[in-house]
This record gives sequence, structure tokens and C-alpha cells, in this order.
Amino acid sequence: GDSVTQMEGPVTLSEEAFLTINCTYTATGYPSLFWYVQYPGEGLQLLLKATKADDKGSNKGFEATYRKETTSFHLEKGSVQVSDSAVYFCALLYSGAGSYQLTFGKGTKLSVIP
Amino acid sequence: EAGVTQSPTHLIKTRGQQATLRCSPISGHTSVYWYQQALGLGLQFLLWYDEGEERNRGNFPPRFSGRQFPNYSSELNVNALELEDSALYLCASSLQGDTEAFFGQGTRLTVV
Repeated sequence: GDSVTQMEGPVTLSEEAFLTINCTYTATGYPSLFWYVQYPGEGLQLLLKATKADDKGSNKGFEATYRKETTSFHLEKGSVQVSDSAVYFCALLYSGAGSYQLTFGKGTKLSVIP
Repeated sequence: EAGVTQSPTHLIKTRGQQATLRCSPISGHTSVYWYQQALGLGLQFLLWYDEGEERNRGNFPPRFSGRQFPNYSSELNVNALELEDSALYLCASSLQGDTEAFFGQGTRLTVV
């Protein structure tokens, strides 16, 4: 079945450091890919998305590129802020026989220290 | 425009009781999804409803059930509650099954 693998956390960075959170997926066909963010005590917010190969999703300084050849969708940000501290989830949406399911990775907790 | 709303925010139940959680999707969205987020276990897919029908179900026992109403709002029912049902239950909605989903703030269910 479809699956998403994220790098294990937690990740601790200093403010203004470069962030990469790795995400790889296994799916038949061509899923849509997403990054969601969950701030403490809140639900999930859609951060960015990409629907086909070579698409780049971007939002709030975060970027991720849909790489079909490596089945990856790594999240990057050039300079993190304390306010970016949250749990980040990579997810894929794939349809098969008219059935759609959003499958999540286990999440990566990011802590940014001043 | 209002986002996905869930109620109640918190719910405390005793083992063996039943819990009912509610979700109102974004206006115009017909698909509703339910996820369980237990501590340390990530997000586990529970149920997907679209146009009033159950379209897909995750690997959960039958005591987890739900429905979608004609106005596309949804209910999740958990019968015979067990301690390990304690979790954050998240509802999401989308325009249709193949578009991005938007999440509510969740219902924190505690079983004592």
C-alpha cells in the first residue's frame, strides 16, 4: 500500500539556520504530495502542495519539490524562526478505483531556539 | 469564510461509555475525513465520507463508526470506549476526494 517515510525527529536548530526535513513515499501511479504543519495544541494546517512531478510548492519561505525519480518531497527553508517550531507532516493523496486516501508520515518535530 | 469546526473541544468519558464527536466542513466541501492522533503514533486514517456515503475505512474495529448528514456535516461515534481510545480526533474536509484537505482543531478525547 501507499506509505510515507519522514526523517525521525526531533530536530533542533538555531534561529536563521537552514532546514531540511526529508520525505520519501511509496505509491503506485502519481500521487499529490503535501506538507502539513501542526503548532502546539492545534490541528493541522496545509503548508504547501505539489500535484505532479517537478512541481515546486512554496509558502511562508518553505519549499518542496516533487521528485518522481527519487520519490521524494523534501521540505526546506533557508532561515528558520522560533515561530516555525511545530510538528511537520508529509502526506500523499492517491486515488485508486475512485477511492481517495490521504496517507501521512509520522511527523517531525522541529524546535528552533533563539 | 469559516474553516472546519469540530465539537466538543475536549471530551472526558469513562471506559465502556460511548462518545460522539461532531464536524462541520467548510462550506461547499462534500468530503469529510476522520483521523485519530494518539500520542506517539502519528495520524491514523479512520473514515472517509463523501456525498453522504462511507467511501473508505481505515483499520479500526467496528465500534468506530460514523455518518454524514445531508448538509455534509459528520459524526464520529466510538462505542465501548477503551483507555487506548484516548487521542486527538481530527476531522478534515475537501471539495471532493481528490483535492487537498483542510483540518479542524480537533477533539481531545480522554477515556478514564
